[in-house]
Amino acid sequence: KAGVTQTPRYLIKTRGQQVTLSCSPISGHRSVSWYQQTPGQGLQFLFEYFSETQRNKGNFPGRFSGRQFSNSRSEMNVSTLELGDSALYLCASSLMGFEQFFGPGTRLTVL
Amino acid sequence: DQQVKQNSPSLSVQEGRISILNCDYTNSMFDYFLWYKKYPAEGPTFLISISSIKDKNEDGRFTVFLNKSAKHLSLHIVPSQPGDSAVYFCAARTSGGSNYKLTFGKGTLLTVNP
Repeated sequence: KAGVTQTPRYLIKTRGQQVTLSCSPISGHRSVSWYQQTPGQGLQFLFEYFSETQRNKGNFPGRFSGRQFSNSRSEMNVSTLELGDSALYLCASSLMGFEQFFGPGTRLTVL
Repeated sequence: DQQVKQNSPSLSVQEGRISILNCDYTNSMFDYFLWYKKYPAEGPTFLISISSIKDKNEDGRFTVFLNKSAKHLSLHIVPSQPGDSAVYFCAARTSGGSNYKLTFGKGTLLTVNP
C-alpha cells in the first residue's frame, strides 16, 4: 500500500506571497492532519480534516487554512507569507485516529 | 504551556547497549502515547504506542513503559544499533470523541556510536 505523499517536496517563496501544499493520504484513510515543524518548536498541530470537514484546529493564525476533497486528498494554504513560516510542513493520515502515518513533508523557505 | 516534554535534547550510546529515551506529560487527559523516529529530510515514522490501560508494550527491540502516576513514559531500545541514530519524538493524545490531534514533545536526538 502506498504511503502518504506530499507535493511539492521543496518550495521557495518570498514574503507576502501565498502557497498551497498538497497531501494524498494512504488509501482508505479518511483523516488527514497537518503539522508544522520548526527547530525551536518541534511539531505543532495545525488542523485535522475528516470527510471534508475540519474537526480540530491548532493555535495558528487565520492565514493558515486547509481543505479536504471527497477523495480524502488535502491541501493546505498559507497566505501573506512571513519569514517565520519557513518550516517543514508534514501531513499525516490515520484510519482510526490512533497511529498517524506521516508523509515526507514539504520544506518551505520564505525569503 | 508544553504538555509533552522531552527534557534531554540529545543522547549518545554505544552500539549494543540500551538506549533509554524519556518523556513527561502534564495533561492527565492524555490516554494514548506514541513514539516516532525521524531521520533528516523525512517524515516521522511510527515506532510503537501504548494505551493508558497498559504499563508496558513491546515490539522487537523496542519497549515502551508508562507510569501513569508519575505521568512519565520511556522508550527502551535493546540492543541499540547505528541505524537507530535519529530524532525520537514522544506524542500523546486523548482518545475521546473525534480528537485526532497529537501533541508532540520537541524530540531527543539519539546517536548510536559503532
